[in-house]
Amino acid sequence: GNSVTQMEGPVTLSEEAFLTINCTYTATGYPSLFWYVQYPGEGLQLLLKATKADDKGSNKGFEATYRKETTSFHLEKGSVQVSDSAVYFCALSDPPGTASKLTFGTGTRLQVTL
Amino acid sequence: GAVVSQHPSWVICKSGTSVKIECRSLDFQATTMFWYRQFPKQSLMLMATSNEGSKATYEQGVEKDKFLINHASLTLSTLTVTSAHPEDSSFYICSASGTGYLTGYTFGSGTRLTVV
Repeated sequence: GNSVTQMEGPVTLSEEAFLTINCTYTATGYPSLFWYVQYPGEGLQLLLKATKADDKGSNKGFEATYRKETTSFHLEKGSVQVSDSAVYFCALSDPPGTASKLTFGTGTRLQVTL
Repeated sequence: GAVVSQHPSWVICKSGTSVKIECRSLDFQATTMFWYRQFPKQSLMLMATSNEGSKATYEQGVEKDKFLINHASLTLSTLTVTSAHPEDSSFYICSASGTGYLTGYTFGSGTRLTVV
């Protein structure tokens, strides 16, 4: 079956530090990959996505590249801000398409301090 | 962009009563809606998938008689927690997707249910 593995949190960084949150996946087909962000007490917001190998999703300074050879979709940001503190979820849909359910990782909590 | 409105944002109910949560797509037709449950500091657990006009498909282990899902129109899905008990207390989130909507899934803001 499909699964998503994320690095354990929480991740605590100082403002302007470099962020990497690792995500690897297992899928029977050729999935679409997503990163979602959840702020306290809220639902999920799509941060970025990629639908095929070597695609790079980017948004708000965050980037992730779909690596088929390593089955990975690591999230990166060059300089984090306090406002980036949230929980980040890696997810896949397989088969790709919005009628398919999403499989989520366990989430990684990011705390950014001044 | 696509917006999904979920209400109420929080609700407290007495044990044994039923609670209805609504999920509306405001600017697109949601052919498929998903209902998730999230425990504190944990990931989202898919409860069921519903397609407009069809019966919901429940994930293994989810009681369909307890968690009633209705998706009677292309803009509205409801989740009713029947005979709620304290163990049903959780954060419930809906997600919607629609035909021709290419950017993925849109999530509601979630409902915090507390059963006392």
